[in-house]
Amino acid sequence: NAGVTQTPKFRILKIGQSMTLQCTQDMNHNYMYWYRQDPGMGLKLIYYSVGAGITDKGEVPNGYNVSRSTTEDFPLRLELAAPSQTSVYFCASSYLGGSNQPQHFGDGTRLSIL
Amino acid sequence: KQEVTQIPAALSVPEGENLVLNCSFTDSAIYNLQWFRQDPGKGLTSLLLIQSSQREQTSGRLNASLDKSSGRSTLYIAASQPGDSATYLCAALSGGSYIPTFGRGTSLIVHP
Repeated sequence: NAGVTQTPKFRILKIGQSMTLQCTQDMNHNYMYWYRQDPGMGLKLIYYSVGAGITDKGEVPNGYNVSRSTTEDFPLRLELAAPSQTSVYFCASSYLGGSNQPQHFGDGTRLSIL
Repeated sequence: KQEVTQIPAALSVPEGENLVLNCSFTDSAIYNLQWFRQDPGKGLTSLLLIQSSQREQTSGRLNASLDKSSGRSTLYIAASQPGDSATYLCAALSGGSYIPTFGRGTSLIVHP
């Protein structure tokens, strides 16, 4: 069981470049989430999706975009990379977001903007 | 708005000790409270999930309790081992929300 898979694991970008962080899950979960984690700051929600074709902003959406064309995939796009976007990015998923369904996380993408 | 606080931020104990990690939340109308473990350079792994209607959950040496009235959850680790060293995070899912609110975590070191 692959669970939640994120690619790439590491990436270095120059200021102003763009890239897409990939996230796919094979558990048929309808809820998917993107977080960023900065040292000592906990997890901040960037975007989330409750199903294919439906996305919504989280706490820190500026500078990012998402799409959800399929149940399995939830890519996160950075259009104009800035040093403030240096962080570790986690994708997560859950089934229905219900009371007895845990969140499952990928291993993260470590992104540095120089 | 739900706020989740974890105390202490860091903890260092000798092997074999029983220990308690604390998680407090401001809105008691929660669906569930989840405890995660995060190893360095890795993602979060779900340890225990306590539903709103439950008081506790157990898995091996781990026991998590939930007291909604006081806005508290505790994670009890029995007979700690060096392999338990990690950061432990809790997350509360509020009623009517799709989004869990995370605490900042407790960094645990168990030394031999």
